Amino acid sequence: DIQMTQSPSSVSASVGDRVTITCRASQGINNWLAWYQQKPGKAPKLLIYATSTLQSGVPSRFSGSASGTDFTLTISSLQPEDFATYSCQQANSFPLTFGGGTKVEIK
Amino acid sequence: EVQLLESGGGLVQPGGSLRLSCAASGFTFSSFAMTWVRQAPGKGLEWVSTVSISSDRTYYANSVKGRFTISRDNSKNTLYLQMNSLRAEDTAIYYCASGLSNGWYFFPHWGQGTLVTVSS
Repeated sequence: DIQMTQSPSSVSASVGDRVTITCRASQGINNWLAWYQQKPGKAPKLLIYATSTLQSGVPSRFSGSASGTDFTLTISSLQPEDFATYSCQQANSFPLTFGGGTKVEIK
Repeated sequence: EVQLLESGGGLVQPGGSLRLSCAASGFTFSSFAMTWVRQAPGKGLEWVSTVSISSDRTYYANSVKGRFTISRDNSKNTLYLQMNSLRAEDTAIYYCASGLSNGWYFFPHWGQGTLVTVSS
């Protein structure tokens, strides 16, 4: 099974900050990686898929990139509505696996 | 508008069974693989199971293999998850999700979730 190790588990940031979240895959996943945002009591929302493709309707301040088996979600300028938990997911092979999540909190 | 509506959750004793349903609307259900994902209280997301468009392929997490069965009825636009031999660690919100139109296993559409509590 492919393990997805996400870091940090939480980050405190202010509005306007640049925030970076990383997921490391235990083996190559051919860029089959997605990022989700989840707010308390709500279902996850797909932000980015295939490493860097922005889902329709998602603001351009969100971006994704990769270097080998390391994948990065960047929020260029944090907005009040961005405080949430972010999770990565690999779709290269079954079993599909998620990272443990990163909670972005208000500083 | 795509809508996914789960039902069937509730309180069940360890060793018991439940059947979850997910009613789909707003898209061509029969053209999309469907998936169940769960989230234990205060924990991260865990993929549970996926069924192909025609039900010829099913996939399960190791944690539920042999106990859970995913199925679909394309004539009723409904996805199911039969859960047997339930354990305390199966307590979670269960979400159904549909994939992208190109068949990739990324999930743009989710239901609101249904809570399953396994406790005596």
